[in-house]
Amino acid sequence: EAGVAQSPRYKIIEKRQSVAFWCNPISGHATLYWYQQILGQGPKLLIQFQNNGVVDDSQLPKDRFSAERLKGVDSTLKIQPAKLEDSAVYLCASSQNRGGEQFFGPGTRLTVL
Amino acid sequence: KQEVTQIPAALSVPEGENLVLNCSFTDSAIYNLQWFRQDPGKGLTSLLLIQSSQREQTSGRLNASLDKSSGRSTLYIAASQPGDSATYLCAPEGGTDKLIFGTGTRLQVFP
Repeated sequence: EAGVAQSPRYKIIEKRQSVAFWCNPISGHATLYWYQQILGQGPKLLIQFQNNGVVDDSQLPKDRFSAERLKGVDSTLKIQPAKLEDSAVYLCASSQNRGGEQFFGPGTRLTVL
Repeated sequence: KQEVTQIPAALSVPEGENLVLNCSFTDSAIYNLQWFRQDPGKGLTSLLLIQSSQREQTSGRLNASLDKSSGRSTLYIAASQPGDSATYLCAPEGGTDKLIFGTGTRLQVFP
């Protein structure tokens, strides 16, 4: 069974630029999560989708971050414009259903200069 | 607001030792708790998931226990190996699907 796929693995941008990350969850997993992990900290949930609907985006900085999961499968997370403090690893995870075991992708390491 | 603490923050042991990693959380109203390992520069690998109705779960050399009422979980690693070197994270889930992570225990097992 293929795991959660993410791309790109690394991205370096300058502040005020835009960036997008892509995630493909495990086949058949209805629930998809985006987490932000700042160096030295545990991951923090940004947004959760159930199929193509948003369940929780309470910790998403909506003035600059957006995410979508249009067909209930792949998802894209965008930052526009980026700030220095957005430097982090962005992790995508999926679970079969809400409350189930979560499986994580390899992450995208973002550096904002 | 759920807060998660993991002790110790770092641990360095010789190969073969049995280890105990501790996780405490402030809100005992959890639905389940997951333990993960994270290798440097990598994503998280799920190790064990304990439902709130369970007391423990085992997978190979790993055993995780949960005492919901006291807000504690323990990950026991038997006969540690250099390949166990990683950061171990615990994450309780409070019924809203949101995992709240601790800052982890960084484990190094040397030959």
